[in-house]
Amino acid sequence: DAKTTQPPSMDCAEGRAANLPCNHSTISGNEYVYWYRQIHSQGPQYIIHGLKNNETNEMASLIITEDRKSSTLILPHATLRDTAVYYCIVRVGMPGNTPLVFGKGTRLSVIA
Amino acid sequence: GAGVSQSPSNKVTEKGKDVELRCDPISGHTALYWYRQSLGQGLEFLIYFQGNSAPDKSGLPSDRFSAERTGGSVSTLTIQRTQQEDSAVYLCASFRSGVSGANVLTFGAGSRLTVL
Repeated sequence: DAKTTQPPSMDCAEGRAANLPCNHSTISGNEYVYWYRQIHSQGPQYIIHGLKNNETNEMASLIITEDRKSSTLILPHATLRDTAVYYCIVRVGMPGNTPLVFGKGTRLSVIA
Repeated sequence: GAGVSQSPSNKVTEKGKDVELRCDPISGHTALYWYRQSLGQGLEFLIYFQGNSAPDKSGLPSDRFSAERTGGSVSTLTIQRTQQEDSAVYLCASFRSGVSGANVLTFGAGSRLTVL
């Protein structure tokens, strides 16, 4: 799996957009970008994924650069409940033969 | 079931005792992961079951840890002769394998193990 780099922590004011960056300069053509988050004391939760195109769902938007070497997860109107650790993972679409490993992620603190 | 179910949600045990943690994945999900998370730490991969293939046990920290998956569904993680450093939240996740495209993990709520 391609290595990803995320800032260790970020703050965001409540109601503002939270933009979480992820660098994955060694991404391969068949690898997807996945985002998960883990709210304190809960299991990780899937947010969104994409291959080439930008994606949007009810939780967030994912912007992938044209060269696919970086991406940004956008929470358009952050709330206090969005405070969590956010993980960016790059991996092939099929389950693959290697374990899915989570890095350290970005700890997002939404501040009132 | 509708989600990944884990039991027990909390387990307190004495050092040296054996414990079993259970994971009931989403119906139809043929691939299953176990992770653990110590207090304030990240997710540590333990073991990965994919269909009928031999499990990937590369993350198990010692031979006191073992896991099995019966009938391709329910999985049990067993920790023998527990130590205090085994205290952690043990998380199970499943997903549908054999489906082309992206794979998405669904996690259970975890089993919190405390070894006294």
